[in-house]
Amino acid sequence: EVQLVQSGPEVKKPGESLRISCKGSGYTFTTYWIGWVRQMPGKGLEWMGIIYPGGSDINYSPSFQGQVTISVDKSISTAYLQWGSLKASDTAMYYCARHGSYAYFDYWGQGTLLTVSS
Amino acid sequence: EIVLTQSPGTLSLSPGERATLSCRASQSVSSIYLAWYQQKLGQAPRLLIYGASSRATGIPDRFSGSGSGTDFTLTISRLEPEDFAVYYCQQYGSSLLTFGGGTKVELK
Repeated sequence: EVQLVQSGPEVKKPGESLRISCKGSGYTFTTYWIGWVRQMPGKGLEWMGIIYPGGSDINYSPSFQGQVTISVDKSISTAYLQWGSLKASDTAMYYCARHGSYAYFDYWGQGTLLTVSS
Repeated sequence: EIVLTQSPGTLSLSPGERATLSCRASQSVSSIYLAWYQQKLGQAPRLLIYGASSRATGIPDRFSGSGSGTDFTLTISRLEPEDFAVYYCQQYGSSLLTFGGGTKVELK
C-alpha cells in the first residue's frame, strides 16, 4: 500500500527555522516526484515545488523560490521542506504528494500543520 | 504561469442533482496534464480525474471530466451526500504546476 506519512504539527516563533518531513513507503521512492502544497487557513491549494528523488531535480514555484528549500534523502525514502526564518504568514497546512509522469498527485500525505506565532 | 479560474465559486445543490464545475485556463493546457481533486473539510485532497477525463482508482462513475484547450469541466451526474466538498482543478505546463481557486459544492 502506497503511503506518505508526514511529521507532526509544529508551533514555532517568527525567525525560527524548521524542517518538516514526508516519508514514502509501499512503492519505489526514487521513481516518482514528490511535491509540496501549501494551504493557508480557509484558502485554496498552492503548489510550492517538486523534487525527483531519483536524480534530485527540483522545480520551485516562482512564488516560493528563495523562501523554502526542498530536499530529499533517498536512503530513507524521505522528502523535506525547510524554512530558514519563519514568518507568521507561513502559518498553514503543508501537504506532500506523489506524482508521476503526467504531473497529477495520486497519493497525498496527511498534512503537517504549522503555526507561527510570537 | 498558467492561471486556472474555477467557476462558480460556490454551487448550492440538493442530493440527486447534477453538478457542473468549470475550470478555465489563461492559455492552452495539454489535456494529459489536467487533473481534478476533491477536498473534504479537515482532509487531504483526493485525486478524482487525471488526463482531463480518466477517473482515478476507486472513483465512482458519477464523476466525469471533459474538455480541452482552455476549457475543462467536472460533472457529478447525481450528487450523493458525501460529494459535498471543495473541488480543485490543476494543470502542469512549462515545468510549473498551478491549482485553480476551487469550487465549493454545498448543500442547498
